[in-house]
Amino acid sequence: RKEVEQDPGPFNVPEGATVAFNCTYSNSASQSFFWYRQDCRKEPKLLMSVYSSGNEDGRFTAQLNRASQYISLLIRDSKLSDSATYLCVVRGNGATNKLIFGTGTLLAVQP
Amino acid sequence: SAVISQKPSRDICQRGTSLTIQCQVDSQVTMMFWYRQQPGQSLTLIATANQGSEATYESGFVIDKFPISRPNLTFSTLTVSNMSPEDSSIYLCSVDISGYGYTFGSGTRLTVV
Repeated sequence: RKEVEQDPGPFNVPEGATVAFNCTYSNSASQSFFWYRQDCRKEPKLLMSVYSSGNEDGRFTAQLNRASQYISLLIRDSKLSDSATYLCVVRGNGATNKLIFGTGTLLAVQP
Repeated sequence: SAVISQKPSRDICQRGTSLTIQCQVDSQVTMMFWYRQQPGQSLTLIATANQGSEATYESGFVIDKFPISRPNLTFSTLTVSNMSPEDSSIYLCSVDISGYGYTFGSGTRLTVV
């Protein structure tokens, strides 16, 4: 089983739609959780952290369920510019604090 | 967040040769991370570079193939040695300044022919 699993998509949605991405992780001792965005041929960039209480940043809402080891990202009112690959990322425990990346979910917002 | 300068941005190399990738950070960091992203795949951690000690390599990666230098707290290099076409990939360095999340360099797109 992969340490971080995501539906690879692609998700093809019209402008204005609401779309949700899900992610599961295998290590129950994981400490921190993030969503990154990666545009084609670019480096990943941090979109938002994910907290147990849930957090919102404009049209983006992230949720964490530690009991189920499940992370979600909700995008409301999708824009063409939201088209990208969204990476679910988990920080392990231990001294190295390394990040473990999911394979990413491809979102294509259509006009 | 940190600003990372990574170079070269891309290169095409002959098999059997080596390429050294450099990353310069605009602030001092304890750890720098080197990732590989093969075509169509997500990022895989190669190693963690600590200043003043040997790099820590992940399973499947060895120092002879990917030697790393970390001469100071703002700079690191990754060398891809004795390259083969299977090494064609994007290589990224990364740092975590605030504990909030990682910042990545712009990547080195390597093609081995």
